[in-house]
Amino acid sequence: QLVLTQSPSASASLGASVKLTCTLSSGHSSHAIAWHQQQPEKGPRYLMKINSDGSHNKGDGVPDRFSGSSSGAERYLTISSLQSEDEADYYCQTWGTGILYVFGSGTKVTVL
Amino acid sequence: QVQLVESGGGVVQPGRSLRLSCAASGLTFNSYAMHWVRQAPGKGLEWVAVISDDGSNKYYADSVKGRFTISRDNSKNTLFVQMNSLRPDDTAMYYCAKSLAAAGTSWGQGTLVTVSS
Repeated sequence: QLVLTQSPSASASLGASVKLTCTLSSGHSSHAIAWHQQQPEKGPRYLMKINSDGSHNKGDGVPDRFSGSSSGAERYLTISSLQSEDEADYYCQTWGTGILYVFGSGTKVTVL
Repeated sequence: QVQLVESGGGVVQPGRSLRLSCAASGLTFNSYAMHWVRQAPGKGLEWVAVISDDGSNKYYADSVKGRFTISRDNSKNTLFVQMNSLRPDDTAMYYCAKSLAAAGTSWGQGTLVTVSS
């Protein structure tokens, strides 16, 4: 079964970096995923798609401090030079046959 | 610039129906699969349904199968979802989204559906 696992929370100081992890369930390590950001009281915003080889396609206007990478069944979102507006929930999402479209449970990022 | 604007939300009693709309602009609407995604209060995102670019293929989450129907009018650049037999656990913000299986997803701002007696 296609499942995405995310840590519930992460935190880092203003100006520091934070790395979020999204883990694909067993047998699905080749899946691409997408990262979406949801700031408080707002709709989601697409950040980027990350392929299994680590290549990624960013959305329009997404700052350079957001980057993506991949290793095995793990897909990462790194936010460098954290800004106060980066405090948000971050969801990974993928797609496949059967269950079709899946979201992770989200990681809440707190800027200290 | 892609813009997706949802409408049609409101308060509805359990067992009743509601139809949501999503007006799209800034894109060639009939080139993209379109989705509904919902978010219950304080919860994460849940995919609801998808319709292919020409409307010929539709798929649903198990939680709404048989009760919700997704459709589109490509002549009016509009996506719909007909929601029947609504239950309290259908209470959520409903978002439309373009292309969840490709780079460049676009999201609307959502419309709130509250199912309560």
